[in-house]
Amino acid sequence: DADVTQTPRNRITKTGKRIMLECSQTKGHDRMYWYRQDPGLGLRLIYYSFDVKDINKGEISDGYSVSRQAQAKFSLSLESAIPNQTALYFCATSDPSVSLSEQFFGPGTRLTVL
Amino acid sequence: SQQGEEDPQALSIQEGENATMNCSYKTSINNLQWYRQNSGRGLVHLILIRSNEREKHSGRLRVTLDTSKKSSSLLITASRAADTASYFCATETSGSRLTFGEGTQLTVNP
Repeated sequence: DADVTQTPRNRITKTGKRIMLECSQTKGHDRMYWYRQDPGLGLRLIYYSFDVKDINKGEISDGYSVSRQAQAKFSLSLESAIPNQTALYFCATSDPSVSLSEQFFGPGTRLTVL
Repeated sequence: SQQGEEDPQALSIQEGENATMNCSYKTSINNLQWYRQNSGRGLVHLILIRSNEREKHSGRLRVTLDTSKKSSSLLITASRAADTASYFCATETSGSRLTFGEGTQLTVNP
């Protein structure tokens, strides 16, 4: 079984719709991250959380919000989706007490906003 | 802006050859990591080198770090078709946040 799972894996939606992407992990890691990947731009950090009560903005948080419902769950929401949010979204986890800052990635969610 | 810049953007070699990818960064770092991504999939951690290390090996991978030049290289020896993927460097500066480069697309031809 995968340690970091993301749902849905693919989503097509329309401009203005509210979308939630979910991430769950069984690794027991406190730290969780959301990234987006665009062609030719690598990964950019949207939000991150170091524990259930901690939420931090990343490089590109505008237009996004997150919720850390539990240690194992970290959700990303697009309140009103727009076409330039079409991208591949990744969730990741880490546990620096075990392996510095190595991150473990989910399989990704491909989001298309029409 | 991206902390890491990778060179080349794309690399095509024959099976058995060595592949070298380079990464440059702008600010002081705690460590530098290399990740691999198969097409459309999640990234997989390959190797981490600390700022006080100069070279590290893992199987067919060799990573070097030159903090004076703010650069790193990843060498894959005796490449295989299964090594075809995108390779990203990522730097950790503080707070366990990683900043990723734009990646090198490696194609290994059988």
